This record gives sequence, C-alpha cells and structure tokens, in this order.
Amino acid sequence: EVHLVESGGRLVQPGGSLRLSCSASGFTFSSYAVHWVRQAPGRGLEYVSAISANGGRTYYADSVKGRFSISRDNAKNTVYLQMSSLRAEDTAVYYCVKGTSGEFYYYYMDVWGKGTTVTVSS
Amino acid sequence: QSVLTQPPSVSEAPKQRVTISCSGSSSNIGNNAVHWYQQLPGKAPKVLLYDDYLLPSGVSDRFSGSKSGTSASLAISGLQSEDEADYYCAAWDDSLNGWVFGGGTKLTVL
Repeated sequence: EVHLVESGGRLVQPGGSLRLSCSASGFTFSSYAVHWVRQAPGRGLEYVSAISANGGRTYYADSVKGRFSISRDNAKNTVYLQMSSLRAEDTAVYYCVKGTSGEFYYYYMDVWGKGTTVTVSS
Repeated sequence: QSVLTQPPSVSEAPKQRVTISCSGSSSNIGNNAVHWYQQLPGKAPKVLLYDDYLLPSGVSDRFSGSKSGTSASLAISGLQSEDEADYYCAAWDDSLNGWVFGGGTKLTVL
C-alpha cells in the first residue's frame, strides 16, 4: 500500500526556517513526481511546490518562490521542503502528495499524506 | 481568490442528486484534464475523480464527472450522510505553469 508520511512541522517564529520531510513507501519512489500542497486554517487547498522524479525539475508557487526549496533523495525515498523567511501566512497544514507520472505537470496527484502542521507565530 | 471557481456550499437531502460546478478558463479546464478531491472533516484530501470523469479503484460509482468547454461538474447521486465533505477541483494551468485548485465546496446532506 502506498504511504506518505510528513514530518517536521512545528511552531516557528516569523523569519525563521524549517525543513519538512516526506517519507514514502509502497511504490517505486524514484519513478514519480512529488508535490506539496498546503491548507491554512479554515481555508482551501493551495499548491506550493513540486519536484520531478529524478529531481531535475522543480516548481514553486509565487507565494513561496525564493523562500522555499524542494529536494529529494531517491535512495532514502524522501522529499524535503526547506522553508525560510517564514511568515504568518505560511501557517498551514502541509500535505505531501504523490504524482502519477515522473513529471509534475499535467498528470494528477493521487495519494496524499496526513499532513504536518506549521505554525508561524511569535 | 482561486483561479478555478466553485460554489462555496451546496446542500441536498439524502438519496437525492447534487452537482458541484468548477469554472475556469482556456488555459486550465479548457485545455487540460480536471480532477476532483474529497476532503472529509479533519482528514486529508483523497482523489475522487481524475481525467475529467474517471473513477479511481474503490470510489463509488455514485460519483461522476463531466466537462464542457471551460467548466466541469461533479455529480453525486443517492446522497448519503457520509458524503458530507469539502470537494475541490484541480487542473494544470498552461499560463501559470502550475496546478490550480478551486476554492472548495462544502456539501451538506440535510
């Protein structure tokens, strides 16, 4: 069975940094793109970032461009989201989502993790 | 404001049929597949329909999808209390070069 488990979320002060991890199992990790989608409290889904299967292509939403960095270690079946210069508006549940292709464009996202909560507050 | 437009809420009685609309543009729905996600209260989203109308394994055939031009619809027939959830549409946007979501629709089964 496909599983994605996010970790690393916690309370952090504005301007701080955080690294989220997404550990995957149950599928050939190196063959699929991975996405990050977030949901602020009481709000809808917002697409944040993605990385292709081989790590050669990445995507960032304008709201996080220049502050977040996505990477993956296919030997460890793990994707990372390095977050810096955090703002209050980054407060959200961050979901790791498996793509259905090696590329993150066009092909839908299928399996979602349970999410990890990031709170940016002083 | 979301790129894809959904009604904030819909409601219908048990056993009835309800539809949820998702309106976009030529750069997203008009040129790419639409996918639907269901988020039960307090849970992570799960894929409900993909590529406009296809059902993933294990999803009830009470759910169906359609698309015409720059709009798509999700229909749920034989409504049950366990269908109460938030529903989101999503599509790749060729102009933004990224995925866009609808704002979500909260379904209440009366």
